[in-house]
Amino acid sequence: GESVGLHLPTLSVQEGDNSIINCAYSNSASDYFIWYKQESGKGPQFIIDIRSNMDKRQGQRVTVLLNKTVKHLSLQIAATQPGDSAVYFCVVGGYQKVTFGTGTKLQVIP
Amino acid sequence: GAVVSQHPSRVICKSGTSVKIECRSLDFQATTMFWYRQFPKQSLMLMATSNEGSKATYEQGVEKDKFLINHASLTLSTLTVTSAHPEDSSFYICSASKAGRGEGETQYFGPGTRLLVL
Repeated sequence: GESVGLHLPTLSVQEGDNSIINCAYSNSASDYFIWYKQESGKGPQFIIDIRSNMDKRQGQRVTVLLNKTVKHLSLQIAATQPGDSAVYFCVVGGYQKVTFGTGTKLQVIP
Repeated sequence: GAVVSQHPSRVICKSGTSVKIECRSLDFQATTMFWYRQFPKQSLMLMATSNEGSKATYEQGVEKDKFLINHASLTLSTLTVTSAHPEDSSFYICSASKAGRGEGETQYFGPGTRLLVL
């Protein structure tokens, strides 16, 4: 079955530095990947997505990189801010069916 | 936009009572809505998937008679926790995906409902 895991359960980053959150997945047939951000006591918030026909996609201050060869996904946050402190989930799926990873807690040090 | 609301945001109830949680897509039609459960410091666990006008599909281990799901329209799904017990206390989160393939993969999440059963 599908397994989705993260390399780092907790990441502490100095404010202003760049953050990199990693995610590994096991199903090579996965074709759609999403990063969500969840702040304490709130529902997940969509950040960015990428399809398997791409290896990089950029948003505002965020970049997602996809390496299908090693089944690895990463989220890069530029100039990390205190408001970026949250748990980040990588979500792997096909049409409508998704699997949530364990989550990585990002702590931004002022 | 893609805004999903949940009501109530927090509920406390006595053991043995039933609790209904509403999930609404406010500015789009949702062909499919999903219900998740999340324990503290854990990931989201999918409970069931519901399509408008049809029966919900429950994940393995989720009791359909315990967690009743009604997807009455393209903008509303409800989850009823029947005869709630303290072990049902959790954070319940719904999500909705937009109509049509190509847009259906992204799920937009509600703010969650904190249930505490005494």
